[in-house]
Amino acid sequence: GAVVSQHPSRVICKSGTSVKIECRSLDFQATTMFWYRQFPKKSLMLMATSNEGSKATYEQGVEKDKFLINHASLTLSTLTVTSAHPEDSSFYICSATETGHMNTEAFFGQGTRLTVV
Amino acid sequence: GENVEQHPSTLSVQEGDSAVIKCTYSDSASNYFPWYKQELGKRPQLIIDIRSNVGEKKDQRIAVTLNKTAKHFSLHITETQPEDSAVYFCASGGTSYGKLTFGQGTILTVHP
Repeated sequence: GAVVSQHPSRVICKSGTSVKIECRSLDFQATTMFWYRQFPKKSLMLMATSNEGSKATYEQGVEKDKFLINHASLTLSTLTVTSAHPEDSSFYICSATETGHMNTEAFFGQGTRLTVV
Repeated sequence: GENVEQHPSTLSVQEGDSAVIKCTYSDSASNYFPWYKQELGKRPQLIIDIRSNVGEKKDQRIAVTLNKTAKHFSLHITETQPEDSAVYFCASGGTSYGKLTFGQGTILTVHP
């Protein structure tokens, strides 16, 4: 199946710093990618929809200035957590579906465990 | 927006028994219903999916049923094995490219 690669898998940063997470579709093009956040033993909560060449669409309650999303190419979306605080510590995971296929499998990256100290 | 409810939140069974997890959804326009298995610290893995033009789909020990009228779908795992222990998520989608709304998850434990 298609592969989505997410990097880094783990990151520890200090409060106040910014962290960038990359999500790449390795063998297919993805006009749209999705960013989720997952707390321990909880479900995946959609944060935003990343659109290639245009602004991301954020879910209600997600601060767009806090979680910057850039989707500059058909294979790469980045999520930057700005001015990170301990409450931003979480598991962040991206997904992508091949362009032009609505009802097909969403492929997930391996996730990024962010710890803010 | 879409709302997906999943039950039970935890399920404990003996090896060899069957396990059933149920989900309901709210958006009648949804037409794609995947099930994911997630192990601790790992990415969700698709185990089976169903589209709205069918009522049931089976893959070896795993089956999914869909009732579009009632807006609910279920995952059935037969002859459970300890390696089936994980968190299972249902989801709904199909109204926007790749966008999925997830249920709350079910922690399945299969005791040897």
